[in-house]
Amino acid sequence: DIVLTQSPTTLSVTPGETVSLSCRASHSIGTNLHWYQQKTNESPRLLIKYASQSISGIPSRFSASGSGTDFTLNINNVEFDDVSSYFCQQTQSWPTFGSGTKLEIK
Amino acid sequence: QVTLKESGPGMLQPSKTLSLTCSFSGFSLSTSGMVVSWIRQPSGKSLEWLAAIDWDGDKYYNPSLKSRLTVSKDTSNTQVFLKITSVDIADTATYYCARSPEYGGYTLFAYWGQGTLVTVSS
Repeated sequence: DIVLTQSPTTLSVTPGETVSLSCRASHSIGTNLHWYQQKTNESPRLLIKYASQSISGIPSRFSASGSGTDFTLNINNVEFDDVSSYFCQQTQSWPTFGSGTKLEIK
Repeated sequence: QVTLKESGPGMLQPSKTLSLTCSFSGFSLSTSGMVVSWIRQPSGKSLEWLAAIDWDGDKYYNPSLKSRLTVSKDTSNTQVFLKITSVDIADTATYYCARSPEYGGYTLFAYWGQGTLVTVSS
């Protein structure tokens, strides 16, 4: 199995800040990595596909990068609406998800 | 507009078989490139992909759970089903169905249902 390790577990930021969330894979997965946002009591929403490809309808404040084993989701100018858990998911083999990063606003 | 909605028993006893239904609209599973997956999430925890079925009837399973899972679709191609045998407390979770983008394979989830909570308890 390919294990995805996300860090930090929880992140508390001030509105307007820029944040970076990390996802590390146990084996190289190229760019076969997607990011999802999940607000409390809602279904996940696809944010970024294949490591850095944007998704229609997602604010441009969300961007991502990485390849191989190290991936990053960046959120520019964090807003209150960004309070969510963020999960990475790999597609190199059968799909697995990271444990998530919970974003809180101070 | 693509919509998916899960339905299930709500609660069932350990050792029973869990049957879930995903009803969808806005697309047909007979259309080339379409794939519907099942994914679950215990409360407060991460997500776990379970199974998928594509427009051609090909099925894909989580190797860790494969022996307990059966995914299928109806002949009208508007519903997908999942059966999980011999459930136990660890199967308590919200169960989602999700659709991949057209020709996105079974590993990318662009459209999600609202989820249905299943509690396994005696």
